[in-house]
Amino acid sequence: DIQMTQSPSTLSASVGDRVTITCRASQSISSWLAWYQQKPGKAPKLLIQKASSLESGVPSRFSGSGSGTEFTLTISSLQPDDFATYYCQQYYSYSLTFGGGTKVEIK
Amino acid sequence: QVQLQQWGAGLLKPSETLSLTCAVYGGSFSGYYWSWIRQPPGKGLEWIGEINRGGDTNYNPSLKSRVTISVDTSKNQFTLKLRSVTAADTAVYYCGRGYGSGSYYNYWGQGTLVTVSS
Repeated sequence: DIQMTQSPSTLSASVGDRVTITCRASQSISSWLAWYQQKPGKAPKLLIQKASSLESGVPSRFSGSGSGTEFTLTISSLQPDDFATYYCQQYYSYSLTFGGGTKVEIK
Repeated sequence: QVQLQQWGAGLLKPSETLSLTCAVYGGSFSGYYWSWIRQPPGKGLEWIGEINRGGDTNYNPSLKSRVTISVDTSKNQFTLKLRSVTAADTAVYYCGRGYGSGSYYNYWGQGTLVTVSS
């Protein structure tokens, strides 16, 4: 299986901050990467697919970049609604795998 | 608007079989892969497996010996069965719609907490 490693595991930030989350794959996955946002007690919500394609309805302050083994999710100006846990997922090969998550907390 | 609604038993004893069903409302049932994903309390997400309308399946090798995913096209539903559960199978189980085989998930069910305890 391809291992997905996210960093940091926890991030403390303030409203208005620029936030960057990193996801690394144990082997190249081209651009077959998705990002999700999950709030407590809720299902994950798809933000970005194919590394950088923003899903319809997702605010433009979210962006994704990268290819191969290193990827980033950036929130350009953190809003109160953005405090949540973020997961990356590779869909390059089976078994599909997720990163361990990054919790974005209020500083 | 696509909606996934899931249900099933929330409390099991060790060695029993977990059974969850997910119904799909709105949108097409064809052309997508329908998946199960789980999340142990306080932990990350684990992909369990997927099925399409034609019954083609793919499973996580770590669970393959205990998992069966089936589909009922007359009801636009799919079902997860996980045999011989242990406490390690305690998790919130989600159903989801994959854009294709082995894909990302743009629609999710509400989640079902399944607890395995004697």
